[in-house]
Amino acid sequence: DTGVSQDPRHKITKRGQNVTFRCDPISEHNRLYWYRQTLGQGPEFLTYFQNEAQLEKSRLLSDRFSAERPKGSFSTLEIQRTEQGDSAMYLCASTHDGFFGQGTRLTVV
Amino acid sequence: DQQVKQNSPSLSVQEGRISILNCDYTNSMFDYFLWYKKYPAEGPTFLISISSIKDKNEDGRFTVFLNKSAKHLSLHIVPSQPGDSAVYFCAASALNSNYQLIWGAGTKLIIKP
Repeated sequence: DTGVSQDPRHKITKRGQNVTFRCDPISEHNRLYWYRQTLGQGPEFLTYFQNEAQLEKSRLLSDRFSAERPKGSFSTLEIQRTEQGDSAMYLCASTHDGFFGQGTRLTVV
Repeated sequence: DQQVKQNSPSLSVQEGRISILNCDYTNSMFDYFLWYKKYPAEGPTFLISISSIKDKNEDGRFTVFLNKSAKHLSLHIVPSQPGDSAVYFCAASALNSNYQLIWGAGTKLIIKP
């Protein structure tokens, strides 16, 4: 048990639908990172929070993606108008090393 | 431009022998390096890390070596065990990029009985 929880573990959605994922980090960790991993590749950085402030966003994060971390606790990642290319494993990490969640595997059909 | 490269997509090693996984990087600003192990459909699990001020870090069966001049690091696993079969990722970070991790593409390690 890494202490970082992600929900749901799996999500299948139809193209064009909106989806939202949740990450609950380790409580005393103020940094939170979102990554995306596609098959055969290493994870790619999406965005980073220091407490409630979103300090950095990758250019991979198109305007269909939005992330929030209200009150500096849990974080949500929303994808609007999903496309098949959004199919990937979405990973949340608490601090910059060590503690990843189990990931949410998104399949857009 | 791949800043972190793992040039071997897969590696097969006999149980009990040493597994050596390699990683090269191009960004001289990287100052912290990590190795992760990943099983299918699970998140990465941290194995071991090394700061750029060191050239070796050891934790049980796992040792990471860093050669800054060559911009190369390696993970040694000895002795290799069947449970070590997984995909291994090398990742690097830098203080001036908020420590976001830049990852290699991974090496699939297969331990043969």
